[in-house]
Amino acid sequence: EILMTQSPATLSLSPGERVALSCRASDSVISDLAWYQQKPGQPPTLLIYGASTRATGVPARFSGSGSGTEFTLTISSLQSEDFGVYFCQQYNMWPLTFGGGTKVEIK
Amino acid sequence: QVQLVESGGGVVQPGRSLRLSCVASGFTFGSYGMHWVRQAPGKGLEWVAVMWFDGSNAYYLDSVKGRFIISRDNSKNTLYLQMNSLRAEDTALYYCAKDFGYAGTHFDYWGQGALVTVSS
Repeated sequence: EILMTQSPATLSLSPGERVALSCRASDSVISDLAWYQQKPGQPPTLLIYGASTRATGVPARFSGSGSGTEFTLTISSLQSEDFGVYFCQQYNMWPLTFGGGTKVEIK
Repeated sequence: QVQLVESGGGVVQPGRSLRLSCVASGFTFGSYGMHWVRQAPGKGLEWVAVMWFDGSNAYYLDSVKGRFIISRDNSKNTLYLQMNSLRAEDTALYYCAKDFGYAGTHFDYWGQGALVTVSS
């Protein structure tokens, strides 16, 4: 099983700041990596797949990078609506696995 | 627009069974893999099972293998999860999720979830 580790666990930032969330895989997943955002009481929504491709309708301030075992989700200028928990997920190997999440709080 | 609506959740005693359903609309159901993903209260996401677009194959999380059965009826646009021998650690919100492709990739649409509570 591929273990996905996200850091930091929590971030508290001000609107307009640049945010970088990290996701590390215990083994290479090539570029088979997706990012999701989850707000309280709602299901996750897909942000990024293929490590760097934005899903339909996702604002350009969200970008993904990395390959192999190290990945980053960047929010270029944090907006108030970007609060929530961000999860990474690998789909290179069964079972599909998620990281533990990074909670982004808006100051 | 794509809609996934789960039903069948509830409170059940350990060792008993429950069947979840997920009715899909807004896309060609029989062309996509479908998954169940769960989230324990206040916890992260855990993939549970997948069924191939045509029902030809399925994979399971090790901890549910032999207890849970995923199935689908493409004529009814419906995905199922039969959960047997339930344990306290199966307590979670169970999401139905559409695969981006025919089977095991990522999830581009999610339902609102069905809450399963296993408690005596």
